[in-house]
This record gives sequence, C-alpha cells and structure tokens, in this order.
Amino acid sequence: EAGVVQSPRYKIIEKKQPVAFWCNPISGHNTLYWYRQNLGQGPELLIRYENEEAVDDSQLPKDRFSAERLKGVDSTLKIQPAELGDSAVYLCASSPGPEAFFGQGTRLTVV
Amino acid sequence: AQSVTQPDIHITVSEGASLELRCNYSYGATPYLFWYVQSPGQGLQLLLKYFSGDTLVQGIKGFEAEFKRSQSSFNLRKPSVHWSDAAEYFCAVGAASGGYNKLIFGAGTRLAVHP
Repeated sequence: EAGVVQSPRYKIIEKKQPVAFWCNPISGHNTLYWYRQNLGQGPELLIRYENEEAVDDSQLPKDRFSAERLKGVDSTLKIQPAELGDSAVYLCASSPGPEAFFGQGTRLTVV
Repeated sequence: AQSVTQPDIHITVSEGASLELRCNYSYGATPYLFWYVQSPGQGLQLLLKYFSGDTLVQGIKGFEAEFKRSQSSFNLRKPSVHWSDAAEYFCAVGAASGGYNKLIFGAGTRLAVHP
C-alpha cells in the first residue's frame, strides 16, 4: 500500500514569493491534515479536512495561507506571500480513524 | 485545553541499555495516545497506539508503552536500544474537536545512542 506522498521534498524561495505544496493521501482515507513543524518542535495542526470539507482551520493564518482538497482526495497548501518565519517542514497526513499516517514532508526555506 | 508534555528534550543512552521516554498529557476524557518516531529528514512513523483495553501496548521495532490513567502518563520503553533507534520521538494525544479527532503533539525527545 502506497503511503502519503508529498511534493516537493525541498523548496527554497525568496520572501514575498508564493509557494505551493501538494499531498496525495493514502487511498480511502477521508481525513487529511496539514501540519507545520518548526525546528526543534512538534508538529502543529494547520488544517484538517473530512473529504473535501475543511472542518478545522482555526490555526491556519488565512491572510497568507490557503488550502484546498478537490474531490476529497489530493490537497494543496499555498502560501502567498511567504515570510521568513514560514521556514519550516510542512507535513501532510491522512487518517482512516484516530491514528494518522504522515508523508515525508516538504522542507521550506524562505530567504 | 488538551496538551502533551515531554519533559526530556534530549536523552543519550548506550547501545544495549534500556530506554524510557516520558510523556504526560492533559485531557478531560480517556484519550487516544500515540508515539511517533522521526528520523532526520523524514516524516513521522507510528510506533504504537493506545485506544482502550490493556494498558500495556506493544509496537513496532521492539517498543512498548504503558498507559497510566492515575498519572496521566504514556511512557515509551525499550529493553535494549540499538544504534538505529537514534531519532526524535513524539508523543501525541488524539483529542476530540467538533466531532472529529485531531492529534496534539509534544515537543519531542531527541534520542542519541552511544556505541
């Protein structure tokens, strides 16, 4: 069974530029999460989807971050414009129930 | 509010020694509890989980964890550590929110293994 696939693995951009991350969850998992992990910290939830509906986006900085999950499968997380403080690892996870399965993450560096 | 505390930021053990990583949680009801491991540059891999029943749960790679309700703890143990166990370990609680579950993570414990 294929795991959660994220791309790209690494991204370096200049501040004020846009960036997008893509996630393909495990087949059949209705729940999809985006987490942000700052250096030396645990992951923090940005947004959670149940199928195509965002059911928890309270931690998503909506002035610059947006996300979508078309057809309840793949998801895209976008930042526009990026700031230096957005440098982090962005993790996507999917879930059939209480536990979550994570992708390898996208390491974003904003310079 | 729900929270997870991992008191040890960094632990070093010798290969072959036993290991215990501490985790305390704050949650009103009986939580779902998890331990994940993260190797450098990788995502998080689920080691084990507790939902209900037997309070001692077995996981992959020879790890086990014990749920102690009276202490609000879910400590991770391994009887003999291997050099390949060096990684960062995260404890997480599955908290109900708006009818759905979300995972709340601790800050992690970085494990170093000396040969």
